Parts: sequence; structure tokens; C-alpha cells
Amino acid sequence: GESVGLHLPTLSVQEGDNSIINCAYSNSASDYFIWYKQESGKGPQFIIDIRSNMDKRQGQRVTVLLNKTVKHLSLQIAATQPGDSAVYFCAEVQNRDDKIIFGKGTRLHILP
Amino acid sequence: GAVVSQHPSWVICKSGTSVKIECRSLDFQATTMFWYRQFPKQSLMLMATSNEGSKATYEQGVEKDKFLINHASLTLSTLTVTSAHPEDSSFYICSARANTDTQYFGPGTRLTVL
Repeated sequence: GESVGLHLPTLSVQEGDNSIINCAYSNSASDYFIWYKQESGKGPQFIIDIRSNMDKRQGQRVTVLLNKTVKHLSLQIAATQPGDSAVYFCAEVQNRDDKIIFGKGTRLHILP
Repeated sequence: GAVVSQHPSWVICKSGTSVKIECRSLDFQATTMFWYRQFPKQSLMLMATSNEGSKATYEQGVEKDKFLINHASLTLSTLTVTSAHPEDSSFYICSARANTDTQYFGPGTRLTVL
């Protein structure tokens, strides 16, 4: 069936640099997309979301880009900090009151 | 922001016993709650969706007689793992949604079956 996947399972970034986490999706019917952060032993934490009729959305230190042409989603984290170390999941929702389907996850490792 | 709690945060049980996990929305009424399972180094997999006062809808491949879900009130849903076996050991996470579309996730429950 259709699924959401990630290009890289692990990403190592120098502290202070920008991080870019990528995600490919295949369900063109999805209405919006969400990025979650999950620290070890905890539940997922909402970071930012984006509707399918948008191509960019910015939050505090984070930016999500959506390219519907190639079905690609990315999360950019500016000035990466040690506290950003976690697993990041992209997720898709077909419509806003529907279930959330999670992608595979990327572990972000911060180098000192 | 909205808070969802789970109890217990971790549990160890013997094979063949049943375990109940609670999910509570602390400061809002949740018309819908979701249960996920997460194995180590894997993603969250949706198990079932429950609406208050009605039967849960299970995802394909999830045994409804093994994973009993009850959503008796707008602030509480329970997941009971019946006759648990070591392969049921996992991280169980719930989420809750009010009338708005935002889902709020709980902190998870670590189940270990010996």
C-alpha cells in the first residue's frame, strides 16, 4: 500500500549547523503533513505541519518545505542544538480528521 | 497546551497474563482516541481508533480479541493486552483528539512480557 518513507535513517550534524531531514511520500491524496520529534522513551512531540495547498511554512527555528511535484517533504532545523537530538518522523493525513500515518523516522545526531 | 497521560509508564508481566493501559486526556474532552504500537527502532504503527461510546475500529492485522479497547468516557480510553506473550513487548502510545483536528500524544507505556 501507499506509505511515507525517509531517505536517511541517521543524520549527524555539527552543533550550530543547519539540519535538513527529508521525507518522500506516495499518497497524493494526503491533505496535510506533520513533523514529529521523538526523544528516547517518550511519545512523539508535534513540531510543525503543512497543508497540501502550501509549499513552505516556518516556525521557531524550523521550516517545512513541501514539493508536491516530486512528493517530497523536508524539515529544516536552523542552528542545531544538542537538545535537537531525537528521532524525527514525517507523517501524513489524508484529511484533517483522519488517522495519522507515520513514516520510518530519521535519527538526528548532534556532533559537539 | 492539551495534555494526555498514560498509566502505567512501564509494566512488566508474566506470559499469559493480561495488562491494562490507561490513556487520559487531562484538560480536554477527547471524542476520538488512537492507540499505536512502536517496536524498537521502528515507527509508530496505528493499532486502532476508538470513539467515545462506540466500538473501536482496528487496523488490518491487529487482533481485536487480543487488544481490547474501551472508550467509556470522553477523557479515558483503555487498552487491555490479553494473554500477553513476549512478542507483545513493545512501546504503546495513545493519542487523543477533541473536536478540533489536532491529535495530542501521550508519553507512552513500555510493556515487557517475560
